[in-house]
Amino acid sequence: DQQVKQNSPSLSVQEGRISILNCDYTNSMFDYFLWYKKYPAEGPTFLISISSIKDKNEDGRFTVFLNKSAKHLSLHIVPSQPGDSAVYFCAAIFSGTYKYIFGTGTRLKVLA
Amino acid sequence: GAVVSQHPSRVICKSGTSVKIECRSLDFQATTMFWYRQFPKQSLMLMATSNEGSKATYEQGVEKDKFLINHASLTLSTLTVTSAHPEDSSFYICSGGVQETQYFGPGTRLLVL
Repeated sequence: DQQVKQNSPSLSVQEGRISILNCDYTNSMFDYFLWYKKYPAEGPTFLISISSIKDKNEDGRFTVFLNKSAKHLSLHIVPSQPGDSAVYFCAAIFSGTYKYIFGTGTRLKVLA
Repeated sequence: GAVVSQHPSRVICKSGTSVKIECRSLDFQATTMFWYRQFPKQSLMLMATSNEGSKATYEQGVEKDKFLINHASLTLSTLTVTSAHPEDSSFYICSGGVQETQYFGPGTRLLVL
């Protein structure tokens, strides 16, 4: 039972345009969400997070939106850069546990 | 962000042998660390929670006798894959962190022949 899903396994975007990565979850008890970036054979790198009491969090080129009623979050990267090419994972946690439930990942390719 | 290291980065072993993977938090203390594994083109799956000074807690379906976890200090957790088999070949990643944000090690690629 995949509680956190990323339905798009891959995404290609032109450099300078916006990249939108989506994530859906099924458990309404999740109360904190994070996005990580991962290169092959490396550990994930933290990008941005959002608490369930918010609907938006912004950090530079990265913005995360949370729609609790739809159980959906998205990561916007603008403008996209070739160095953003990687696999992006969303993760959800229950308050106080810090045990991540990861999505299946979306491979982003930013074309120069 | 905080730094987590893992050693070794890659290991090849014969079937039936045991392999130890170390996970260290370099600039913070971690009373809790987590171990994940990732199969090719799949998500990271939580295996167990490593607790300093006490027993690890394992996720459903993970054999505690096969994947031994020791969290001997606030900066070191070890995962030992005992009697490794080819199906244990995977990418193992640990994490430690401050509150909700976890910092991940670079991972260990295990290949069991």
